[in-house]
Amino acid sequence: EVQLLESGGGLAQPGGSLRLSCAVSGFTFSTHAMSWFRQAPGKGLEWVSAINGDGDSAYYVDSVKGRFTISRDNSNNVLFLQVNSLGVEDTAVYFCARVGGGPNVGRDAFHFWGQGTLVTVSP
Amino acid sequence: EIVMTQSPATLSVSPGERATLSCRASQSINSDLAWYQQRPGQGLRLLVYGASTRATGIPARFSGRGSGTQFTLTITSLLSEDFTVYYCQQYVNGPPYTFGQGTKLEI
Repeated sequence: EVQLLESGGGLAQPGGSLRLSCAVSGFTFSTHAMSWFRQAPGKGLEWVSAINGDGDSAYYVDSVKGRFTISRDNSNNVLFLQVNSLGVEDTAVYFCARVGGGPNVGRDAFHFWGQGTLVTVSP
Repeated sequence: EIVMTQSPATLSVSPGERATLSCRASQSINSDLAWYQQRPGQGLRLLVYGASTRATGIPARFSGRGSGTQFTLTITSLLSEDFTVYYCQQYVNGPPYTFGQGTKLEI
């Protein structure tokens, strides 16, 4: 059974940092591209970042470029999102998700999702 | 960026009836469209991808149609557990992946 479990969320001050993790199981992690999404309270969904299976290609939504960094540890089956220079607009539940198949970031739906971890940015 | 527009924002139907949700893309996305269900406090559940292919384990009550810019998700014989929020998402060119704003299905 495929499982994704996020952690690392919490309360941060504006300008602060957090490191989000997504521990996965039930599939060969290195052969699948992964993404992070977020959902602000009561709002819709926004794609944040994606990474290929090898971890050598990363993509970001414009609003987080230069502040967030996606990475992965294929030996330990963990996806990360380092979030720096946080602003109140980054307050959201952050989800990790796995594409249907293949290591490349591209044309693919997201077949598996975690439950999310809440990041709250407040003075 | 491709803008996805869902309608209606809220759809009121009764258990046992049929619900039809719509999604429109600002430009052609071929059949690169997915539908997701989100229950409160949970992550997303993939229902349909490729506009019309049901994901693993999704009952036949859920069906997707469309291509280009116009898409629909139909849910027949509604059960109480179906009354929640549904999102469409396009993935035609890879990132940025964009979603509709959601349709809330209510009794």
